[in-house]
Amino acid sequence: GAVVSQHPSRVICKSGTSVKIECRSLDFQATTMFWYRQFPKKSLMLMATSNEGSKATYEQGVEKDKFLINHASLTLSTLTVTSAHPEDSSFYICSARGIGQVSEAFFGQGTRLTVV
Amino acid sequence: QKEVEQNSGPLSVPEGAIASLNCTYSDRVSQSFFWYRQYSGKSPELIMSIYSNGDKEDGRFTAQLNKASQYVSLLIRDSQPSDSATYLCAVIREYGNKLVFGAGTILRVKS
Repeated sequence: GAVVSQHPSRVICKSGTSVKIECRSLDFQATTMFWYRQFPKKSLMLMATSNEGSKATYEQGVEKDKFLINHASLTLSTLTVTSAHPEDSSFYICSARGIGQVSEAFFGQGTRLTVV
Repeated sequence: QKEVEQNSGPLSVPEGAIASLNCTYSDRVSQSFFWYRQYSGKSPELIMSIYSNGDKEDGRFTAQLNKASQYVSLLIRDSQPSDSATYLCAVIREYGNKLVFGAGTILRVKS
C-alpha cells in the first residue's frame, strides 16, 4: 500500500514557540492532504484540507493563522503550529490522497506534540 | 444528530469469537464507507472499504453495508487478542471529499 511518512513522531516545545510537522507521500503523488487532531480517547477531528499549489481549506473553528498549512509539492505538506500553548498539546495526524484515489486516504504515523 | 455514530464500547469478546461492530450514518447520499483500526498512540490503519450494498470479505474481516438502513458493520471472525484496538467507521459524502469519522468503538479480545 501507499506510504505516508510524518515527522517528527514526538516533539516537546516551550510555550510561545512554533513547531513544524512534515507529511510526505513516499511512493505516490498526493494531490490532497488532510490534517487531523486527536485528543485522548476521542476521534479524529479534521482541521484542514490542502490541495497542492492552493490555499488550505480550514474547518470551522480552526484558526488558520495559528495552524499554518503549506502544500508546496505533490509529495510534501507541512503544518506549523505557531505560538504554541499547552492546550495545543495533542496528537496530530496527516493523511494523503493521490491521483485516481477518489475515496481512500493513507495516514502518516502521527506526531505527539507536548507544549510545556 | 452526529453524522457517523458508533457505540463507544468497550466491546469485550473471548478469543476465537466473532466481534460485531456497528455504525450508522445520517447523510443518505453518502457513497463510500471505511473501517479503520487504531491502536493506542498510533495512527489509523485502513482495514476495509465498501461502496455497494451487501457483504465484502477480506480474510477474517467482513464489511456489511445497507444503504437503505444507513448502516454499515464490521465482523471479525476468530477474534485474536491482537485485534484489541479502537475501530473507527468513516464515511465520505457524495458532494465532498473528506472523511467523516465516528467516535470509534473499543474492542477488547480476551484470551
